[in-house]
Amino acid sequence: GESVGLHLPTLSVQEGDNSIINCAYSNSASDYFIWYKQESGKGPQFIIDIRSNMDKRQGQRVTVLLNKTVKHLSLQIAATQPGDSAVYFCAETAGSQGNLIFGKGTKLSVKP
Amino acid sequence: EPEVTQTPSHQVTQMGQEVILRCVPISNHLYFYWYRQILGQKVEFLVSFYNNEISEKSEIFDDQFSVERPDGSNFTLKIRSTKLEDSAMYFCASSEQGAVNTEAFFGQGTRLTVV
Repeated sequence: GESVGLHLPTLSVQEGDNSIINCAYSNSASDYFIWYKQESGKGPQFIIDIRSNMDKRQGQRVTVLLNKTVKHLSLQIAATQPGDSAVYFCAETAGSQGNLIFGKGTKLSVKP
Repeated sequence: EPEVTQTPSHQVTQMGQEVILRCVPISNHLYFYWYRQILGQKVEFLVSFYNNEISEKSEIFDDQFSVERPDGSNFTLKIRSTKLEDSAMYFCASSEQGAVNTEAFFGQGTRLTVV
């Protein structure tokens, strides 16, 4: 069935290093993708989004890459900080009202 | 900064009881959503609501679930007869134009524990 999933459940990086979190999706008709960050005990927080007519989008310290050929999405975090420690979810839109299909999440741990 | 607020933060209920989870979306938003997250799992879509009616719902959102916008500010999720497997974090979200056009903002969630 249609689903959004992640390659790794956990990722541990050294403070200051770059982090790359990956996501695979299966619905080739999806046209909007979002990365969310979820800290413990909180709701998902929007990080960055990208539409299917783009292959790269940059924000502050974050970059999202979209490869539609292999249906792959990645989130790059530059100079990872302890405050970046959280679970990261990719999500795609489905349905006319924009309801989101989330992946399983990758837990990012930043070592000082 | 405007935010989505949810109450209560934690609700404990006995199996078979009705619960109502409350949300106040961001005031100028038009699209409202409920999601749930079972502990350690991914966030799952339940229902979307626009123009005072359900616009889409998932297979999770069965006859035991209902949503309502009783006034101009609140958006509620009711579970008629709770089951043990309803235990989860429930997140309300809202967006200005629908999440295909603008980002959806999530509340802090209500942790529902069914015993």
